[in-house]
Amino acid sequence: AQTVTQSQPEMSVQEAETVTLSCTYDTSENNYYLFWYKQPPSRQMILVIRQEAYKQQNATENRFSVNFQKAAKSFSLKISDSQLGDTAMYFCAFMNGGTDKLIFGTGTRLQVFP
Amino acid sequence: DVKVTQSSRYLVKRTGEKVFLECVQDMDHENMFWYRQDPGLGLRLIYFSYDVKMKEKGDIPEGYSVSREKKERFSLILESASTNQTSMYLCASSSPTGFYNEQFFGPGTRLTVL
Repeated sequence: AQTVTQSQPEMSVQEAETVTLSCTYDTSENNYYLFWYKQPPSRQMILVIRQEAYKQQNATENRFSVNFQKAAKSFSLKISDSQLGDTAMYFCAFMNGGTDKLIFGTGTRLQVFP
Repeated sequence: DVKVTQSSRYLVKRTGEKVFLECVQDMDHENMFWYRQDPGLGLRLIYFSYDVKMKEKGDIPEGYSVSREKKERFSLILESASTNQTSMYLCASSSPTGFYNEQFFGPGTRLTVL
């Protein structure tokens, strides 16, 4: 069975600094997708960034980028130039190719302070 | 914009009551999901549905049932609520042909069972 591990329950960063959230996963599959979702306080969960396992190039979305290490089964999220609005719970998630089911990690609560 | 709505943001029920949580999506998505979110446990899949009148068990279906009579609506039913079902419940939808297999989430229902 696939598992997703987020070993940092809480993190904090100063505004404008860079922070990296860690995620590791375990699977024997070769075709899969990885996601980072953001859940702001009292607001809906939204997708931040997505990575296809077959792509070697790391995904980027504006200030958000990932470091995808397939052999190490690691999928970290880097947030550059952190903003107060980045304060949220961040979930790493895994999806097997051919299914639509997500497996979530336990989340990392990120606090951005001025 | 995709919109997923849930019938209540907050709900308080008594042990033994039958509880209905409703979810509606307006994007004609085939897939719909119910998760529960608990601190330190992340999101866990309760049930999902790939089509009208179809349902499949997720990882923690015990004590829950679902109904999908119309494509846009997916209901979660607690037949006899118990205190250990106090949690945040999140609904999501997706399309198997959608861009990035992205799941779109509702705002959540925080259920307290007394």
